[in-house]
Amino acid sequence: AQTVTQSQPEMSVQEAETVTLSCTYDTSENNYYLFWYKQPPSRQMILVIRQEAYKQQNATENRFSVNFQKAAKSFSLKISDSQLGDTAMYFCAFMGFTSGTYKYIFGTGTRLKVLA
Amino acid sequence: DTAVSQTPKYLVTQMGNDKSIKCEQNLGHDTMYWYKQDSKKFLKIMFSYNNKELIINETVPNRFSPKSPDKAHLNLHINSLELGDSAVYFCASSQGGGSGNTIYFGEGSWLTVV
Repeated sequence: AQTVTQSQPEMSVQEAETVTLSCTYDTSENNYYLFWYKQPPSRQMILVIRQEAYKQQNATENRFSVNFQKAAKSFSLKISDSQLGDTAMYFCAFMGFTSGTYKYIFGTGTRLKVLA
Repeated sequence: DTAVSQTPKYLVTQMGNDKSIKCEQNLGHDTMYWYKQDSKKFLKIMFSYNNKELIINETVPNRFSPKSPDKAHLNLHINSLELGDSAVYFCASSQGGGSGNTIYFGEGSWLTVV
């Protein structure tokens, strides 16, 4: 069965610094998708970035980038120039084919606090 | 315009009551979901509908019954509410259930059972 593990329950970073959130997953599939979602205090889940497993190039979205290591099944999120508005829960998610259908599986989240 | 909207946002109710949460999406998506986020922030899928047909039904008590009158709506009805049902319930939608399509979430409905 697919699993997603986020080993850092909480992290903090100074404003303008860079922080990396880790995520590992387990799957026997070759084609799948990986996502990072952000959940600010408002509770809304917002897509930050996505990565297709068949693409070797790491995805980037402005200050957000990923380090996708397919062989190691690792998908970390790097936030550069951290801003106060980045304070949120961050969820890593895997989307693949499991039990006969496509499913999203979420990690347990990392609470990130950006300090002024 | 809110892409995925759900009501109510907050709901406090007594044990044993029956309640419903409504969800609507205006993105033209054909797949809708209900997720439950517990107090530890763990997000778990409950149901998924594709074009009004149930395609995912996780191990959820029978007290939870989803209803999809059309592909833009997916409501969640809960009978005989229990304390353990207290959670945030997220509705979501995507175009297709697979192929890596991004899921768009509603703002969540915070259910508290007392």
